[in-house]
Amino acid sequence: AQKVTQAQTEISVVEKEDVTLDCVYETRDTTYYLFWYKQPPSGELVFLIRRNSFDEQNEISGRYSWNFQKSTSSFNFTITASQVVDSAVYFCALKGTGRRALTFGSGTRLQVQP
Amino acid sequence: DAGVIQSPRHEVTEMGQEVTLRCKPISGHNSLFWYRQTMMRGLELLIYFNNNVPIDDSGMPEDRFSAKMPNASFSTLKIQPSEPRDSAVYFCASSLGQGDQPQHFGDGTRLSIL
Repeated sequence: AQKVTQAQTEISVVEKEDVTLDCVYETRDTTYYLFWYKQPPSGELVFLIRRNSFDEQNEISGRYSWNFQKSTSSFNFTITASQVVDSAVYFCALKGTGRRALTFGSGTRLQVQP
Repeated sequence: DAGVIQSPRHEVTEMGQEVTLRCKPISGHNSLFWYRQTMMRGLELLIYFNNNVPIDDSGMPEDRFSAKMPNASFSTLKIQPSEPRDSAVYFCASSLGQGDQPQHFGDGTRLSIL
């Protein structure tokens, strides 16, 4: 069975603060893929990043960075210098080898106050 | 490039009525997914197709739900008869192949059954 846990239900920060969203996963697959999606107030789901289980390099894209640690089964997402436009629900998701469906976490609602 | 297109964006109907949700995947994508999002259960997979063939429909709640994909560019999700507990946001997503290819989501259909 696969499981994704996002323990932080809601986070509120003030603009320009850094914030880290936690994601912990469980899977018995040796090869798997991890994803982050953003759901802004308008409701659509926007793909942000994917990571293969055999690639533990951290990734940075502008103000976004992702830290993948296989040893702790975590794939955390950090937003540096947060902005009001970052306010959204963020979902972490997992897909195992041979599976096509995503297993989503319950999401973390991020509110960035001006 | 056009993304996944879903229609309608919003649907309000009375209990007992038939509801049909529509999806046009991204051209060239050969996997299509229907998800449902509710406050109680989060994002859950209903069914997915590969090359227009249903592969896994174990997430379909009950016989009132049916999905079809008559060709590579169109899929429908039908609920008949509808019930208030079917109220949710229904997302369609598509992806190319399998493995680490991300699923790209449509804007969703917000369904309210009165």
